[in-house]
Amino acid sequence: AQKVTQAQTEISVVEKEDVTLDCVYETRDTTYYLFWYKQPPSGELVFLIRRNSFDEQNEISGRYSWNFQKSTSSFNFTITASQVVDSAVYFCALRSGSSNTGKLIFGQGTTLQVKP
Amino acid sequence: GAVVSQHPSWVICKSGTSVKIECRSLDFQATTMFWYRQFPKQSLMLMATSNEGSKATYEQGVEKDKFLINHASLTLSTLTVTSAHPEDSSFYICSASSRVPRARLPRNTEAFFGQGTRLTVV
Repeated sequence: AQKVTQAQTEISVVEKEDVTLDCVYETRDTTYYLFWYKQPPSGELVFLIRRNSFDEQNEISGRYSWNFQKSTSSFNFTITASQVVDSAVYFCALRSGSSNTGKLIFGQGTTLQVKP
Repeated sequence: GAVVSQHPSWVICKSGTSVKIECRSLDFQATTMFWYRQFPKQSLMLMATSNEGSKATYEQGVEKDKFLINHASLTLSTLTVTSAHPEDSSFYICSASSRVPRARLPRNTEAFFGQGTRLTVV
């Protein structure tokens, strides 16, 4: 079975604080991809990152960083020095298999509120 | 620019009428398109997968006669909500993917979701 769990339903922080959004996944496939998307109030999904199962190197992009650990089946997302514009719903997603045409399994989403 | 265009972005319709939502891939040929539904404050749930030229595959619990999907070309898929009822009010979003090697796809191809359609049935 494939599953993505985002245990944190809502997180509220004050601007400039660091915040980590957790993501735990389940899959029996050895090849898979993990994603993070941001969904602002407008509803569109904004792609943040894609990581394949063979690349455990952590990635940093500006204030964003991702920690992929296969040993714990986790793909956590950290925002450093959060800003009000970071307020949104964040989804972690899984796509199993090597094909880039497979469906995405989404987590429940974490609503992040950054207060000024 | 966007690689997947979805139209309309919002629609209000009367109960019992049908609504068609279009999803177009721009700059690439989408061999597969997915339709997701998202109820307020919930996650995205896959409704169906469609491959160009063949019948859509529906997820369990999704009525294929109510949610008609047509994927007649490599750049266009449509979702028609037939005889809509208030409980069908939701956010519908499509995504498109291709078997073309990723290196040949437009930049940011992973940002392959449409803008979504907010359907309200009154």
